[in-house]
Order: sequence, then C-alpha cells, then structure tokens
Amino acid sequence: DAGVIQSPRHEVTEMGQEVTLRCKPISGHNSLFWYRQTMMRGLELLIYFNNNVPIDDSGMPEDRFSAKMPNASFSTLKIQPSEPRDSAVYFCASSRPSGSVNEQYFGPGTRLTVT
Amino acid sequence: GNSVTQMEGPVTLSEEAFLTINCTYTATGYPSLFWYVQYPGEGLQLLLKATKADDKGSNKGFEATYRKETTSFHLEKGSVQVSDSAVYFCALIEKSSGDKLTFGTGTRLAVRP
Repeated sequence: DAGVIQSPRHEVTEMGQEVTLRCKPISGHNSLFWYRQTMMRGLELLIYFNNNVPIDDSGMPEDRFSAKMPNASFSTLKIQPSEPRDSAVYFCASSRPSGSVNEQYFGPGTRLTVT
Repeated sequence: GNSVTQMEGPVTLSEEAFLTINCTYTATGYPSLFWYVQYPGEGLQLLLKATKADDKGSNKGFEATYRKETTSFHLEKGSVQVSDSAVYFCALIEKSSGDKLTFGTGTRLAVRP
C-alpha cells in the first residue's frame, strides 16, 4: 500500500500568490482530513470529508482557505491569496471506518513557506 | 466538548531510562484512545490504541492502559532508545463527534546516547 500521498513536499511562495496543496488518500478509505501544524498552535484540524462530502469545515481559518474533494482519490487545499502567517506544515490523513475505531493514516506533509 | 491534556515537554532521558508521558482526557461518552508518534520531518504514525476501559495498547515496547476511573492513558516504555526521539501525541475519538480526532499538544522526547 502506497500510503497517503501529498504534493508538493515543500512549497515556497510570495505573499499574495495562490497555493494549491494536493492529497491522494489510501485506496478504499472514505474519510479525508486536512490538518495544519505550527509551533504556536500545534496540530489543528482544518476540514474533513466523508465520502467526498465536506462534513466539518469549522477549522478553516478564513475565506482565503478552500478545500475540495472531486472524487474518492483526490483532494486539494487552496489558499488564495496566501499570507506569511499561513506558513506551516499541512498534513492530509485518511481513514476507513473499522468497527468503532477510526484509525487515521497521515501523509508526509507539505511544508509551506510564504515570504 | 472533548479535550486531551498531555504533560509539557521536552522530556530528556538517557538511553535505557524508563519513560512515562502522562495523558488525561475529557469526553462526554466512551472514547477510543490513541498515541501517535511523529519522527522529525515526517507525518504522524499510529503507535498504539485502546478502545475500551482496561484495554492495554502496546507496540514497539510502548504500552498504555485505558483507565476510565482516572480518565487517563499514560504512555510508558521500560527502556528508551535514541531512535525513540520524536514527538508523541495523545488523541481520542468519540463516535458522537463523528470521525474527528481530538489531539493533545504533543510531548517532545529527546533520548541521549
């Protein structure tokens, strides 16, 4: 199994530019999660999808952030326009309900730097 | 709402020392409990889990027991190695909250040779 795949692994962009982060969940998983990790705020859940439908986006910080999941094998997180305070590591995770324990599998993350 | 509280880090130990990282939780129902580990430059990996009271999760020499009476899930290892240096996250899922994991803030462990 390839695991959760994220791209790019590193992104450096200038303030005001659009940034798109990509995620391919593990095949057969029907839930997908986007997290942001910073030193100041730790690990934050931004949004999650179940069967390609956004279930909870209460963690999305601002309207500059948007996420889509057009099919079961692909999701994007877009920031437009980007700001320096968006610099963080963004993780994607996926899970498949297994009884009562929903184990999440994390991707390697995308390190975003906005200058 | 649900919450997870972990001991502040960093924790610095010598190789072969005994490790305890404390974790307590608040939940309205009966959560499942997890420990995740994050090695430098990587994503989080599930280390162990427990789904009901008195369950003991174990993996790679690490153990944690689900204590409902004290709402705790402390992580222990009898003899740490340099390769255990990482950040450890305690987390819970409660079905009433859907599929959302509630994470603690993480505890950084550094093991000296």
